[in-house]
Amino acid sequence: EAGVTQFPSHSVIEKGQTVTLRCDPISGHDNLYWYRRVMGKEIKFLLHFVKESKQDESGMPNNRFLAERTGGTYSTLKVQPAELEDSGVYFCASSAPSGSETDTQYFGPGTRLTVL
Amino acid sequence: AQKITQTQPGMFVQEKEAVTLDCTYDTSDQSYGLFWYKQPSSGEMIFLIYQGSYDEQNATEGRYSLNFQKARKSANLVISASQLGDSAMYFCAMREKTGRRALTFGSGTRLQVQP
Repeated sequence: EAGVTQFPSHSVIEKGQTVTLRCDPISGHDNLYWYRRVMGKEIKFLLHFVKESKQDESGMPNNRFLAERTGGTYSTLKVQPAELEDSGVYFCASSAPSGSETDTQYFGPGTRLTVL
Repeated sequence: AQKITQTQPGMFVQEKEAVTLDCTYDTSDQSYGLFWYKQPSSGEMIFLIYQGSYDEQNATEGRYSLNFQKARKSANLVISASQLGDSAMYFCAMREKTGRRALTFGSGTRLQVQP
């Protein structure tokens, strides 16, 4: 069974440009999460989808970030316009439909974003 | 608000020895889950072990065990018989059992296993 995949693995853009990150969750996982780790800081939660609905977007830093999950399958995270402080590693995770006590989140390899 | 503290930025251990990675947490929730993840140099985050707040026994998964002390709010990861492939960053995380599903992470501990 394929794990969580993310594309691209690396992205280097200039300040003011737009970048779109993609995440494909594990098949059958209704829950999809975005996290990011800015250099030297902890991994921080951004938002949580249940199928195509945003369940919790309390971690989104500002309105330059837009996440979508059309059809409840893959998700995209767009940063527009990118700023220097957006540099970091963006992780996607997915978990099985809620009801499981463990509800383990399985992570993708991350996208390393560098804004110059 | 939940908070995870990992006080060891880096640890060294000799191959085949056991090592304990510390994790303390703070939460007002009565029901919560604790997780450990491993991040090797390749970057992916690998789930290692889970402990529920009401679990009476410490969780174990192969060479990994979780030393859960609820009164002290600690959830230390114990790796037995360390291998060179255990060299990685290790993150402790927690979340509520019900309601909000977001994980709160600690700052991580970098473990280096020496031959």
